[in-house]
Amino acid sequence: AQSVAQPEDQVNVAEGNPLTVKCTYSVSGNPYLFWYVQYPNRGLQFLLKYITGDNLVKGSYGFEAEFNKSQTSFHLKKPSALVSDSALYFCAVRVSGGYNKLIFGAGTRLAVHP
Amino acid sequence: EAQVTQNPRYLITVTGKKLTVTCSQNMNHEYMSWYRQDPGLGLRQIYYSMNVEVTDKGDVPEGYKVSRKEKRNFPLILESPSPNQTSLYFCASSLRQGAGGTEAFFGQGTRLTVV
Repeated sequence: AQSVAQPEDQVNVAEGNPLTVKCTYSVSGNPYLFWYVQYPNRGLQFLLKYITGDNLVKGSYGFEAEFNKSQTSFHLKKPSALVSDSALYFCAVRVSGGYNKLIFGAGTRLAVHP
Repeated sequence: EAQVTQNPRYLITVTGKKLTVTCSQNMNHEYMSWYRQDPGLGLRQIYYSMNVEVTDKGDVPEGYKVSRKEKRNFPLILESPSPNQTSLYFCASSLRQGAGGTEAFFGQGTRLTVV
């Protein structure tokens, strides 16, 4: 079965420190991978995606993610966290050749402390 | 501005009273879907539609109905809501089937409480 795992319910980081939010996936076929962010009382906002090519993809608000095919991972990173980055982050996968269903992880709450 | 609009944003209702949550997108997207978000479970797909008059069940369709009479609108209908349908609901749209690398656009969510 296709699935996405976000192993951490919450990640705590001090402002200015690098952050990593982990995501691993299990799919058959080539995956399209996405990160979304949800701020309080808001919908999901697209951050970045991996389709093909360079394993390091850059997205909005200074975030980037690294695709690792051998480890089936797509971890979200940022070199220097801001308090305003505090939010709920979702990793999602869509399988190539299929219809447009997105499979989401359970979400990771990022808390950046001043 | 490209957007997906859901209404209402908040709704409290009683068990068994039919309700409809509306969803509209202005991007001419073929594909639309509904998700529910529950703590620890992420987002789970309820129903989806690949185009006008084409709908199908997602992973958790029980207790829900949808319709797609126009390309821009995709309402979610709860004919007899129950407390276990208390959740945060999101509508999403994206380009047609096969455009797997395109991102989905989400509405701002509808927080539904069934008492």
